Amino acid sequence: EVQLVESGGGLVQPGGSLRLSCAASGFTFSTYEMNWVRQAPGKGLEWISYISSSGTTIYYADSVKGRFTTSRDNAKNSLYLQMNSLRAEDTALYYCARDVGAYAPFDFWGQGSLVTVSS
Amino acid sequence: SYVLTQPPSVSVAPGKTARITCGGNNIGIKSVHWYQQRPGQAPVVVVYHDSDRPSGIPERFSGSNSGNTATLTISRVEAGDEADYYCQVWNRNDDVVFGGGTRLTVL
Repeated sequence: EVQLVESGGGLVQPGGSLRLSCAASGFTFSTYEMNWVRQAPGKGLEWISYISSSGTTIYYADSVKGRFTTSRDNAKNSLYLQMNSLRAEDTALYYCARDVGAYAPFDFWGQGSLVTVSS
Repeated sequence: SYVLTQPPSVSVAPGKTARITCGGNNIGIKSVHWYQQRPGQAPVVVVYHDSDRPSGIPERFSGSNSGNTATLTISRVEAGDEADYYCQVWNRNDDVVFGGGTRLTVL
Protein backbone atom coordinates (compact mmCIF):
# COMPACT_ATOMS: atom_id res chain seq x y z
CA GLU A 1 0.00 0.00 0.00
CA VAL A 2 1.33 3.40 -0.98
CA GLN A 3 1.83 5.68 2.01
CA LEU A 4 3.13 9.21 2.35
CA VAL A 5 3.49 10.54 5.89
CA GLU A 6 4.47 14.13 6.55
CA SER A 7 6.03 15.32 9.80
CA GLY A 8 7.89 18.28 11.25
CA GLY A 9 5.15 20.89 11.30
CA GLY A 10 4.42 23.15 14.22
CA LEU A 11 4.30 26.70 15.50
CA VAL A 12 7.13 29.00 14.47
CA GLN A 13 7.71 32.73 14.77
CA PRO A 14 7.87 34.98 11.72
CA GLY A 15 11.37 34.88 10.28
CA GLY A 16 11.97 31.43 11.69
CA SER A 17 12.74 28.12 10.03
CA LEU A 18 11.21 24.68 9.92
CA ARG A 19 11.99 21.44 8.11
CA LEU A 20 9.25 19.14 6.92
CA SER A 21 9.77 15.49 6.09
CA CYS A 22 7.71 13.10 4.01
CA ALA A 23 8.29 9.40 4.55
CA ALA A 24 7.32 7.21 1.62
CA SER A 25 6.51 3.51 1.62
CA GLY A 26 4.76 0.93 -0.50
CA PHE A 27 6.39 1.93 -3.78
CA THR A 28 9.83 2.42 -5.32
CA PHE A 29 10.38 5.98 -4.14
CA SER A 30 13.52 6.55 -6.23
CA THR A 31 11.59 6.21 -9.49
CA TYR A 32 8.92 8.83 -8.76
CA GLU A 33 8.83 12.58 -9.00
CA MET A 34 7.51 14.34 -5.91
CA ASN A 35 5.84 17.61 -5.07
CA TRP A 36 4.89 19.83 -2.16
CA VAL A 37 1.44 21.40 -2.17
CA ARG A 38 0.05 23.59 0.59
CA GLN A 39 -3.40 24.70 1.66
CA ALA A 40 -3.94 27.72 3.87
CA PRO A 41 -6.81 27.38 6.36
CA GLY A 42 -10.11 27.54 4.50
CA LYS A 43 -8.37 28.21 1.19
CA GLY A 44 -7.51 26.33 -1.97
CA LEU A 45 -4.54 24.25 -3.05
CA GLU A 46 -1.25 25.90 -3.96
CA TRP A 47 1.61 23.99 -5.57
CA ILE A 48 4.96 25.09 -4.19
CA SER A 49 7.67 22.71 -5.37
CA TYR A 50 8.62 19.79 -7.62
CA ILE A 51 11.62 17.50 -7.48
CA SER A 52 12.64 14.93 -10.07
CA SER A 53 13.17 11.30 -9.15
CA SER A 54 16.93 11.71 -9.00
CA GLY A 55 16.74 15.05 -7.21
CA THR A 56 18.70 16.86 -9.89
CA THR A 57 15.80 19.00 -11.12
CA ILE A 58 13.84 21.15 -8.71
CA TYR A 59 11.22 23.83 -9.34
CA TYR A 60 9.56 26.31 -7.02
CA ALA A 61 6.56 28.58 -7.07
CA ASP A 62 7.44 32.26 -7.05
CA SER A 63 5.83 32.61 -3.61
CA VAL A 64 8.54 30.47 -1.97
CA LYS A 65 11.51 30.82 -4.32
CA GLY A 66 14.65 31.78 -2.46
CA ARG A 67 13.17 30.86 0.95
CA PHE A 68 12.24 27.19 0.64
CA THR A 69 14.48 24.30 -0.43
CA THR A 70 13.26 20.89 -1.53
CA SER A 71 15.47 17.82 -1.35
CA ARG A 72 15.18 14.05 -1.18
CA ASP A 73 17.12 11.07 0.10
CA ASN A 74 16.24 8.06 -2.02
CA ALA A 75 18.19 5.75 0.27
CA LYS A 76 15.88 6.77 3.12
CA ASN A 77 12.71 7.00 0.99
CA SER A 78 12.25 10.53 2.20
CA LEU A 79 11.37 13.95 0.83
CA TYR A 80 12.18 17.19 2.64
CA LEU A 81 11.13 20.82 2.62
CA GLN A 82 13.42 23.29 4.35
CA MET A 83 11.49 26.48 5.03
CA ASN A 84 13.38 29.64 5.98
CA SER A 85 12.32 33.26 6.52
CA LEU A 86 8.80 32.12 7.28
CA ARG A 87 5.92 34.58 7.03
CA ALA A 88 2.40 34.60 8.37
CA GLU A 89 1.13 33.83 4.87
CA ASP A 90 3.07 30.55 4.89
CA THR A 91 0.64 29.23 7.50
CA ALA A 92 -0.89 26.17 5.87
CA LEU A 93 -1.29 22.43 5.78
CA TYR A 94 1.64 21.11 3.74
CA TYR A 95 1.12 17.99 1.64
CA CYS A 96 3.65 15.87 -0.16
CA ALA A 97 2.27 14.34 -3.34
CA ARG A 98 3.57 11.85 -5.86
CA ASP A 99 3.33 12.32 -9.57
CA VAL A 100 3.74 9.73 -12.25
CA GLY A 101 5.57 11.65 -14.93
CA ALA A 102 5.48 14.60 -17.24
CA TYR A 103 2.23 16.54 -17.07
CA ALA A 104 0.76 13.78 -14.93
CA PRO A 105 -1.63 14.12 -12.02
CA PHE A 106 -0.66 13.82 -8.37
CA ASP A 107 -1.86 10.30 -7.78
CA PHE A 108 -1.08 9.90 -4.07
CA TRP A 109 -1.04 12.49 -1.31
CA GLY A 110 -0.05 12.41 2.32
CA GLN A 111 -2.38 13.65 5.05
CA GLY A 112 -0.43 16.85 5.52
CA SER A 113 1.62 18.60 8.20
CA LEU A 114 0.38 21.85 9.68
CA VAL A 115 2.71 24.82 9.81
CA THR A 116 1.61 27.87 11.78
CA VAL A 117 3.66 31.05 11.56
CA SER A 118 2.73 33.41 14.35
CA SER A 119 4.28 35.45 17.12
CA SER B 1 1.18 33.57 -14.79
CA TYR B 2 -1.48 31.15 -15.94
CA VAL B 3 -4.85 31.39 -14.16
CA LEU B 4 -7.56 28.75 -13.81
CA THR B 5 -11.02 30.07 -12.92
CA GLN B 6 -13.64 27.93 -11.20
CA PRO B 7 -17.05 28.91 -9.82
CA PRO B 8 -16.86 29.07 -6.01
CA SER B 9 -19.93 26.91 -5.61
CA VAL B 10 -22.28 24.60 -7.46
CA SER B 11 -25.48 23.16 -6.03
CA VAL B 12 -27.35 20.17 -7.35
CA ALA B 13 -30.18 17.91 -6.23
CA PRO B 14 -29.49 14.22 -5.64
CA GLY B 15 -29.79 12.18 -8.80
CA LYS B 16 -29.18 15.17 -11.07
CA THR B 17 -26.06 16.12 -13.02
CA ALA B 18 -23.45 18.54 -11.72
CA ARG B 19 -21.08 20.35 -14.06
CA ILE B 20 -18.05 22.15 -12.67
CA THR B 21 -16.12 24.34 -15.08
CA CYS B 22 -12.48 25.35 -15.16
CA GLY B 23 -11.62 28.28 -17.39
CA GLY B 24 -8.18 29.10 -18.71
CA ASN B 25 -6.61 30.66 -21.77
CA ASN B 26 -6.48 27.92 -24.41
CA ILE B 27 -6.86 25.29 -21.72
CA GLY B 28 -7.99 22.91 -24.45
CA ILE B 29 -4.37 22.33 -25.45
CA LYS B 30 -3.38 21.40 -21.92
CA SER B 31 -3.98 18.24 -19.94
CA VAL B 32 -6.42 18.86 -17.09
CA HIS B 33 -6.67 16.88 -13.88
CA TRP B 34 -9.51 17.05 -11.37
CA TYR B 35 -9.34 16.38 -7.63
CA GLN B 36 -12.01 15.79 -5.03
CA GLN B 37 -11.30 16.91 -1.49
CA ARG B 38 -13.68 15.96 1.28
CA PRO B 39 -13.51 17.91 4.57
CA GLY B 40 -10.46 16.99 6.59
CA GLN B 41 -9.06 14.73 3.90
CA ALA B 42 -6.32 14.94 1.32
CA PRO B 43 -7.26 15.49 -2.32
CA VAL B 44 -7.99 12.48 -4.51
CA VAL B 45 -7.75 12.52 -8.29
CA VAL B 46 -11.09 11.72 -9.90
CA VAL B 47 -10.33 12.54 -13.55
CA TYR B 48 -6.94 12.92 -15.20
CA HIS B 49 -5.68 13.84 -18.65
CA ASP B 50 -8.98 15.61 -19.37
CA SER B 51 -11.22 12.54 -19.34
CA ASP B 52 -9.50 9.46 -17.94
CA ARG B 53 -10.75 7.94 -14.72
CA PRO B 54 -8.55 6.21 -12.12
CA SER B 55 -9.52 2.74 -11.03
CA GLY B 56 -12.02 2.90 -8.20
CA ILE B 57 -13.61 6.14 -9.34
CA PRO B 58 -17.25 5.67 -10.38
CA GLU B 59 -18.20 6.03 -14.04
CA ARG B 60 -20.47 8.84 -12.92
CA PHE B 61 -17.39 11.08 -12.99
CA SER B 62 -16.33 12.27 -16.43
CA GLY B 63 -14.40 15.13 -17.93
CA SER B 64 -14.04 17.12 -21.12
CA ASN B 65 -11.74 19.89 -22.30
CA SER B 66 -11.97 22.21 -25.29
CA GLY B 67 -11.21 25.79 -26.16
CA ASN B 68 -11.01 27.85 -23.00
CA THR B 69 -13.03 25.58 -20.71
CA ALA B 70 -12.59 22.19 -19.10
CA THR B 71 -15.57 20.56 -17.41
CA LEU B 72 -15.98 17.95 -14.72
CA THR B 73 -19.36 16.25 -14.97
CA ILE B 74 -20.84 14.21 -12.14
CA SER B 75 -23.92 12.24 -13.15
CA ARG B 76 -26.54 10.91 -10.79
CA VAL B 77 -25.11 12.95 -7.94
CA GLU B 78 -25.08 11.36 -4.50
CA ALA B 79 -24.78 12.88 -1.05
CA GLY B 80 -21.28 11.43 -0.79
CA ASP B 81 -20.14 13.56 -3.74
CA GLU B 82 -20.40 16.69 -1.62
CA ALA B 83 -16.85 18.05 -1.52
CA ASP B 84 -14.47 20.64 -2.91
CA TYR B 85 -13.27 20.03 -6.46
CA TYR B 86 -10.08 21.44 -7.98
CA CYS B 87 -8.81 21.48 -11.53
CA GLN B 88 -5.07 21.42 -12.16
CA VAL B 89 -2.69 21.77 -15.10
CA TRP B 90 1.02 21.82 -15.68
CA ASN B 91 1.36 25.28 -17.20
CA ARG B 92 4.91 24.57 -18.28
CA ASN B 93 7.11 21.72 -17.18
CA ASP B 94 8.22 23.86 -14.25
CA ASP B 95 4.91 25.31 -13.08
CA VAL B 96 1.78 23.68 -11.70
CA VAL B 97 -1.46 25.61 -11.40
CA PHE B 98 -4.59 24.77 -9.44
CA GLY B 99 -7.97 26.36 -9.90
CA GLY B 100 -9.47 28.15 -6.92
CA GLY B 101 -11.77 25.24 -6.16
CA THR B 102 -15.52 24.66 -6.34
CA ARG B 103 -17.63 23.55 -3.41
CA LEU B 104 -20.26 21.09 -4.56
CA THR B 105 -23.37 21.11 -2.39
CA VAL B 106 -25.91 18.33 -2.71
CA LEU B 107 -29.30 19.79 -1.84
